[in-house]
Amino acid sequence: QSALTQPASVSGSPGQSITISCTGTSSDVGSYNLVSWYQQHPGKAPKLMVYEGSKRPSGVSNRFSGSKSGNTASLTISGLQADDEADYYCCSYAGSLYVFGTGTKVTVL
Amino acid sequence: EVQVVQSGAEVKKPGEALKISCKASGYSFTNYWIGWVRQMPGKGLEWMGIIFPGDSETRYSPSFQGQVTMSADKSISTAYLHWSSLKASDTAMYYCVSLYASGNWGQGTLVTVSS
Repeated sequence: QSALTQPASVSGSPGQSITISCTGTSSDVGSYNLVSWYQQHPGKAPKLMVYEGSKRPSGVSNRFSGSKSGNTASLTISGLQADDEADYYCCSYAGSLYVFGTGTKVTVL
Repeated sequence: EVQVVQSGAEVKKPGEALKISCKASGYSFTNYWIGWVRQMPGKGLEWMGIIFPGDSETRYSPSFQGQVTMSADKSISTAYLHWSSLKASDTAMYYCVSLYASGNWGQGTLVTVSS
């Protein structure tokens, strides 16, 4: 299983919207509606932001939204805030195991 | 309340054995998969594998097959990750993840392997 492909970095100004892509294959992202997204601040454990493609856990801001088209999942952060600056990872079920994305560093300009 | 609590940081020498633990509570431990995730210093997240505590079925990611052993003790709702002979390259943070509901992560166990 190969890691899902994410852009290494994405940046935006406060208040803007950004989108992080996560490209897999028909064996993972394309076959299951089981993509999750994690936010990780330096030195901290990952925090679940979106699961099952587009669902948000209780307590996660509705500024975070997930979607999928074919073999590519996306995380959109609207109304970008300083605290959104972190690393983001997608994760997909792949039939018998799970696979993470390569990770994206989000910078708030 | 669901809780996933991992054992504390470890400092070991190359060649030594190590077993770290992950205790889950607040749900039926035997009915949900537990996964292990590695994060090497400055690097991304990697799934190592998953174990089903109900029958100890294990599934290892190809990169970790033969390198580590996952196990679980149903009687104390605890999962384990074991190395028989550590290498310096095993230095990393290891996270335990319960796949109950939308997923519940432990706080991580830092393993440092150095001579």
